[in-house]
Amino acid sequence: QKEVEQNSGPLSVPEGAIASLNCTYSDRGSQSFFWYRQYSGKSPELIMFIYSNGDKEDGRFTAQLNKASQYVSLLIRDSQPSDSATYLCAGGTDKLIFGTGTRLQVFP
Amino acid sequence: EPEVTQTPSHQVTQMGQEVILRCVPISNHLYFYWYRQILGQKVEFLVSFYNNEISEKSEIFDDQFSVERPDGSNFTLKIRSTKLEDSAMYFCASSAQGSGYTFGSGTRLTVV
Repeated sequence: QKEVEQNSGPLSVPEGAIASLNCTYSDRGSQSFFWYRQYSGKSPELIMFIYSNGDKEDGRFTAQLNKASQYVSLLIRDSQPSDSATYLCAGGTDKLIFGTGTRLQVFP
Repeated sequence: EPEVTQTPSHQVTQMGQEVILRCVPISNHLYFYWYRQILGQKVEFLVSFYNNEISEKSEIFDDQFSVERPDGSNFTLKIRSTKLEDSAMYFCASSAQGSGYTFGSGTRLTVV
């Protein structure tokens, strides 16, 4: 069974801090990994995707992939209250397998 | 910015009735998907569709489910005889190969 595991949280960080979200996956065949943000009652919104080992930066967001450890992470710098949401990690080649999501709370 | 459009936003149906959920994917995307999310649970893959045929389906996607691309723009999910456990948010998604999906805003299906 292919799984993507995330800590459900909540992860609470103060405004301006770095939020670190982590994810592990079981399928070594997965080629692509995605981070989605989901506000309550809304659809997932793509933040970043990463294919290669290492880091990928986009604005305040950095995705990290370590295929040997089957580990994906998302760092959010200068966290804002508007970043408060559930962050979904997903991996796969065609279809995506989603984790349960980590709820992030950024408090002022 | 291009978006995936889903209708209706909310559908209430009686158990045993047929429902059709509609989606208009992004126009230059070639891969189409349906996912569902039961309240409080993870997003689950249902089916992927490419080149006018199903490319993969999950165990959830049994004979009660079907998909169709009737006119080259719409992409529909039909549930023939709804059950209480079909109550969920249903998300349509599309992608151009090599990028992440874009999800539609979802249809909340409530089976009573």
